[in-house]
Amino acid sequence: QKEVEQNSGPLSVPEGAIASLNCTYSDRGSQSFFWYRQYSGKSPELIMFIYSNGDKEDGRFTAQLNKASQYVSLLIRDSQPSDSATYLCAVNGGDSWGKLQFGAGTQVVVTP
Amino acid sequence: SAVISQKPSRDICQRGTSLTIQCQVDSQVTMMFWYRQQPGQSLTLIATANQGSEATYESGFVIDKFPISRPNLTFSTLTVSNMSPEDSSIYLCSVEPHERESYNEQFFGPGTRLTVL
Repeated sequence: QKEVEQNSGPLSVPEGAIASLNCTYSDRGSQSFFWYRQYSGKSPELIMFIYSNGDKEDGRFTAQLNKASQYVSLLIRDSQPSDSATYLCAVNGGDSWGKLQFGAGTQVVVTP
Repeated sequence: SAVISQKPSRDICQRGTSLTIQCQVDSQVTMMFWYRQQPGQSLTLIATANQGSEATYESGFVIDKFPISRPNLTFSTLTVSNMSPEDSSIYLCSVEPHERESYNEQFFGPGTRLTVL
């Protein structure tokens, strides 16, 4: 059974600080990696995707990928109360090409 | 990205009945998917809705329980049949827009919140 693992949290982050979210995956053949943000009662919203090893920055978000370690992370800089949500890591490729396999999600709470 | 709508947004149903959920996209897409998100859980893929052919179901999901139609490239339906309280979930459709297919990026509809009594 291929797995995507995340810490469930909640991750409590002071406003203005950096939130660091981690995700590991078991399928070494995985090729693309996604971070979704899900507010309570809403559907997931794609915020970042990454395919190559290294860092990818988009505004206050940075995704980091290390395929050798089978590890992908998301950094949220200058965290705002509006960043309070559940962040889902999703992996595509390997045995499940064309399909997304989701982690359980990490709940982030940004405190003023 | 594509604009995706789902109907109904929520429903409360009786045990043993069936509910059909509609997913409409504002542009043609090749890939459409149906997911389930049980209370407090992450997303689980039910099936890939294939245009012009039978849906491809994931392990643990069968056509008799979750029949899917995909009559064209902008529309799909998921039916939850013979419902039980265990079917209470949020049901989500997702699409891969044509211009993002090579990246396998999926975008989700607003979801249908189903409660079975």
